[in-house]
Amino acid sequence: GNSVTQMEGPVTLSEEAFLTINCTYTATGYPSLFWYVQYPGEGLQLLLKATKADDKGSNKGFEATYRKETTSFHLEKGSVQVSDSAVYFCALSGVRAAGNKLTFGGGTRVLVKP
Amino acid sequence: GAVVSQHPSRVICKSGTSVKIECRSLDFQATTMFWYRQFPKQSLMLMATSNEGSKATYEQGVEKDKFLINHASLTLSTLTVTSAHPEDSSFYICSARVGDPYSNQPQHFGDGTRLSIL
Repeated sequence: GNSVTQMEGPVTLSEEAFLTINCTYTATGYPSLFWYVQYPGEGLQLLLKATKADDKGSNKGFEATYRKETTSFHLEKGSVQVSDSAVYFCALSGVRAAGNKLTFGGGTRVLVKP
Repeated sequence: GAVVSQHPSRVICKSGTSVKIECRSLDFQATTMFWYRQFPKQSLMLMATSNEGSKATYEQGVEKDKFLINHASLTLSTLTVTSAHPEDSSFYICSARVGDPYSNQPQHFGDGTRLSIL
């Protein structure tokens, strides 16, 4: 079945540091890939997505590239802010036969200190 | 665009009562809505997929008589936790997706409902 593995947190950084959160996946076919962010006490917000190999999703300074050869979708940001402190979830959406349910990674908590 | 509203945001009630949670898509029609449960510091666990006008599809291990789902319109799905007990305390999150049931569009999430059963 489909699965998503992402690095465990917490990840603690200083403001303006470079952030990378690794995400790898296992899936049949050609899934779509997503990064969601969850702030404390809230639901998930879509951060970015990529629907095919070599696509780069980007939003709010965050980027992730769909790498089919390494089955990865690592999230990066060049200079983090305190407001980026949150839990980040990598997810994939399966192919049509699977009903396109989302499969989530375990989440990575990021704490940015001033 | 693509705003999902979930209500209430927090519920505290006594054991044995039933609790209804609403999930509304405010600016789009959602053929498919999803209900998740999230335990502290853990990922989301899909409970069921709700398609407008048909019965919900529950994931393995989720009691359909315990967690009643109704998706009566293209903008509203409800989750009712029947005869709730302390072990049902959790953070419940809904999501909605634009397009047909096999669409690859992203899911848009509500802000969640914190359910606490005393």
